[in-house]
This record gives sequence, structure tokens and C-alpha cells, in this order.
Amino acid sequence: EAGVTQSPTHLIKTRGQQVTLRCSPISGHTSVYWYQQALGLGLQFLLWYDEGEERNRGNFPPRFSGRQFPNYSSELNVNALELEDSALYLCASSLGENTGELFFGEGSRLTVL
Amino acid sequence: AQKITQTQPGMFVQEKEAVTLDCTYDTSDPSYGLFWYKQPSSGEMIFLIYQGSYDQQNATEGRYSLNFQKARKSANLVISASQLGDSAMYFCAMREGWGTSYDKVIFGPGTSLSVIP
Repeated sequence: EAGVTQSPTHLIKTRGQQVTLRCSPISGHTSVYWYQQALGLGLQFLLWYDEGEERNRGNFPPRFSGRQFPNYSSELNVNALELEDSALYLCASSLGENTGELFFGEGSRLTVL
Repeated sequence: AQKITQTQPGMFVQEKEAVTLDCTYDTSDPSYGLFWYKQPSSGEMIFLIYQGSYDQQNATEGRYSLNFQKARKSANLVISASQLGDSAMYFCAMREGWGTSYDKVIFGPGTSLSVIP
């Protein structure tokens, strides 16, 4: 069974640009979480989608947005990139809103120059 | 305010010894879940163990056990018989607000564990 897959794995952008990160959950999982992990720091909660709807979002500016598609895959969009957006972006999936265990992908490492 | 506190930024343990990683949490919800994840240097997050707030017994998974002290809001991870492959970052996490508008899984700052041969 395939795990959570994320793309791209690495990317470099410049300030002011926009980026889209993609996540495919484990088959059968309906919930997708997004986290930001800056270098050497913990995971900061960004967004949670379940059954195509945004269930919750963390304390991030509106230029961080996303969506979940009917097949439960998800995109994270970041507009007007800033240097401090450089981080590992982790996607996780779970069976649904009534379960807790998260299964993580390997992340997308974004560098903003 | 920090919802999850991990007071040990770095820990060292001798191979084959046991080690306890501390985690305290803050919630007013009666129903919540506590998790521990491991993040090796390669970056992937690996689920280790789960404890529900209503679980009477402390959770165990192989060499991992969770010392759950509800009144103290403490959920320490105990790793028995440490192995070199246990060297990694360890994150305590909590899900609170199940089914509410503030439902989410949040993580502590992590503890870096180094196992010494």
C-alpha cells in the first residue's frame, strides 16, 4: 500500500513568487493535514481538510491557502513568498475526523531566496 | 501559551539503557488524545504510540510505553533498551476539541535523543 506522497520534494523560489505543494493521502484516508516545520523547529499546524472541506486552520496569514479535491488529494498554496517561509512542509493523512493517528509524507522542502 | 511542553531540548542515553522523554500538555477538554512521533534525520515522521484521555491503562507498543498521569497533565514517553537507531527527534502531540471548531492536532517543540554506543 502506498504511503502519503508529496511533490515536489525540493524547490527553490524567490521572494514574492507563488508556490503550490501537492499531497496524495493513503488510499481510503479522507483527512489531510498540512504542517510547516522551519529548520530545527517543531511542527506548526497550517490546515486540516476532511471530506473536501476545510475543518481548521492554524495561525498563518491568508496567503497560505489550500484545498482538497474529490479524490482527497490536497494542495497547499503560498502566495507572495517571504524568506521566513523557507521550511519543510509536511502533509499527513488520517482515516477521518474521528481518528487521531496521522501518517506523514516525506515533505516538500521549500527554500525562498 | 504553549499547549505542549517538552522541557528537554536534548537528551543522551547509553545503548541498552531506558530513557524517559517528558511531555506536559494543557487542555480543558475532557476528551483528547496524546501521541508520540519520531523524526529521524531523514525527515519522515513515524507514529510511535497513542493514549486516549479516557484510557485506563498506559499505552504500550513494543519498547515504547507512555506514562500517562492525567491529573498532572503529563504524558512521558519511555523507551526501554535503547538502540542506536533510536537517535532522532521525538515529538509529543495532542488532539483536542474533537469535532469542534478548534479540533486539530498540535505538536510540541521536540526532544533530540542521542543514543551513545
